[in-house]
Amino acid sequence: GAVVSQHPSRVICKSGTSVKIECRSLDFQATTMFWYRQFPKQSLMLMATSNEGSKATYEQGVEKDKFLINHASLTLSTLTVTSAHPEDSSFYICSATTATNYGYTFGSGTRLTVV
Amino acid sequence: AQSVTQLDSQVPVFEEAPVELRCNYSSSVSVYLFWYVQYPNQGLQLLLKYLSGSTLVKGINGFEAEFNKSQTSFHLRKPSVHISDTAEYFCAVSDRNNNDMRFGAGTRLTVKP
Repeated sequence: GAVVSQHPSRVICKSGTSVKIECRSLDFQATTMFWYRQFPKQSLMLMATSNEGSKATYEQGVEKDKFLINHASLTLSTLTVTSAHPEDSSFYICSATTATNYGYTFGSGTRLTVV
Repeated sequence: AQSVTQLDSQVPVFEEAPVELRCNYSSSVSVYLFWYVQYPNQGLQLLLKYLSGSTLVKGINGFEAEFNKSQTSFHLRKPSVHISDTAEYFCAVSDRNNNDMRFGAGTRLTVKP
């Protein structure tokens, strides 16, 4: 079945630094990838949608200059949290889909802690 | 745009009891419906999905859900739960272009011995 690998699973960084999170589709070509943020005991909030080779589409209220998304290939999307602050600490989850795979395949998530 | 309401934030049940997790959706277009399960500090795993056809959908781990168009519902059921079913469950809806998936707030299922 479709598998999405997300790395790293946990990261701790200092305030002001940048962190990159990778999301890879291992056995299928992901035409579209999504990035979500999840606060404790809450649902997933869509941050942005990215299509391979195109600029990401950000949801209202998400700072595109802070959360840089790159989808350079059909199997890889990256989310870079720039100049991280403690309020950026959260669980970030990616998902991927293809034109023929109804529903999304999710990565295992990344727990980001900014200290 | 579509939206999802999960009516119960927490559902405690005893082991081997039946359970129903409720989900209602709202949309102006035809949709696909999904149930996902999330274990602590993990991503989401697809339990089942409704695309078309039979309104009763069977998924993994003994779960099933029934699509009711007139009531705009997609409730998840399991006849006998196990301790290992303790997790967060999310109902989701997407448009038929497979874009713009929206999630409910989640239901925390706790199975007690």
